[in-house]
Amino acid sequence: AQRVTQPEKLLSVFKGAPVELKCNYSYSGSPELFWYVQYSRQRLQLLLRHISRESIKGFTADLNKGETSFHLKKPFAQEEDSAMYYCALSGTSYGKLTFGQGTILTVHP
Amino acid sequence: GAGVSQSPSNKVTEKGKDVELRCDPISGHTALYWYRQSLGQGLEFLIYFQGNSAPDKSGLPSDRFSAERTGGSVSTLTIQRTQQEDSAVYLCASSLSGQASYEQYFGPGTRLTVT
Repeated sequence: AQRVTQPEKLLSVFKGAPVELKCNYSYSGSPELFWYVQYSRQRLQLLLRHISRESIKGFTADLNKGETSFHLKKPFAQEEDSAMYYCALSGTSYGKLTFGQGTILTVHP
Repeated sequence: GAGVSQSPSNKVTEKGKDVELRCDPISGHTALYWYRQSLGQGLEFLIYFQGNSAPDKSGLPSDRFSAERTGGSVSTLTIQRTQQEDSAVYLCASSLSGQASYEQYFGPGTRLTVT
């Protein structure tokens, strides 16, 4: 069985502070991992995926297979980063996603 | 280009009634997914269509739920004899390919309320 855990339902930081959204997964094989984001009144959208090893909007995420984690980080949070963030895993040969419960990030001015 | 569209955006129905939710994927996308977003369960997979292959229905919560995809394009999710626990936002997503690495593009969702 595959599972994604986001331990923080709510996370608040001040503008300019570093932010880390935690994600741990459980899967016996080699998963594909993603971060999706949902801004207020917008649809769910892909933020980044581990295979791309890219930085989007200043966010990065590194897959740590030893710790089965895929934490999302940004060194200097901005108010526009306030949103719901979902960590997701695909462990099958196709794109069926298993999502974590989500973390609501609030960045205060 | 146009993104994934879903209709209706909101649906209020009485317990026991049947509902149909529609999804129009992005043109040319062969893979289509339905997910459900609810307060108690978070985001959960329901069903997956890929081209003309048999769908993966492993996420459907009961036999009251069914879905079809006609002509490899539009999809309809049907819930029969709705129950209050069916209240949720139903999201549709499509991707260019069914491979796991391909980005899924989500629709705005249909908010279903069962009274």
